[in-house]
Amino acid sequence: GDSVTQMEGPVTLSEEAFLTINCTYTATGYPSLFWYVQYPGEGLQLLLKATKADDKGSNKGFEATYRKETTSFHLEKGSVQVSDSAVYFCALSDEGGGADGLTFGKGTHLIIQP
Amino acid sequence: KAGVTQTPRYLIKTRGQQVTLSCSPISGHRSVSWYQQTPGQGLQFLFEYFSETQRNKGNFPGRFSGRQFSNSRSEMNVSTLELGDSALYLCASSQRGSGNTIYFGEGSWLTVV
Repeated sequence: GDSVTQMEGPVTLSEEAFLTINCTYTATGYPSLFWYVQYPGEGLQLLLKATKADDKGSNKGFEATYRKETTSFHLEKGSVQVSDSAVYFCALSDEGGGADGLTFGKGTHLIIQP
Repeated sequence: KAGVTQTPRYLIKTRGQQVTLSCSPISGHRSVSWYQQTPGQGLQFLFEYFSETQRNKGNFPGRFSGRQFSNSRSEMNVSTLELGDSALYLCASSQRGSGNTIYFGEGSWLTVV
């Protein structure tokens, strides 16, 4: 079945540091890929998405590129802020667009120190 | 437009009881899915409803059930609660189809004591 693997944290960085959170996936078809963010005590918010190979999703300074050849969708940000502290989830959706639900990684807890 | 709304936000139940959680999707979204989030298992897919029909189900026991109404609102029910059912239950809605974004509510925090 489908699966998503992402680095588990916590990942601790200083403010203005460069961020990379690795995400790789296994899927039988051509999935859509997502990054969701969860702030303490809240639900999931969509951060960005990409629906086909070589697409780049971007939002709020975060970027991720759909790499089919390496089955990866790594999240990057050039300069993190304290407000970026949260848990980040990489996820995939199969061709049915939710027929089997989203498959999530375990989540990466990101802590940004001032 | 309004997001996905879940009620109640917090609840405490006793082992053996049952619970019903409610979800109102984004207007125009006909697909509603439910997820369970726990520290140990992470986010796990429970089931998806579309046009009042369950389209898919995750690997959960029959104590977990759901339904969808004609206005796309959905409820999930857990019967004979166990301590391990304590979790954040997230509802999500989408316009079903490849590449469509799934939007989540803030969740219902269930504690079983």
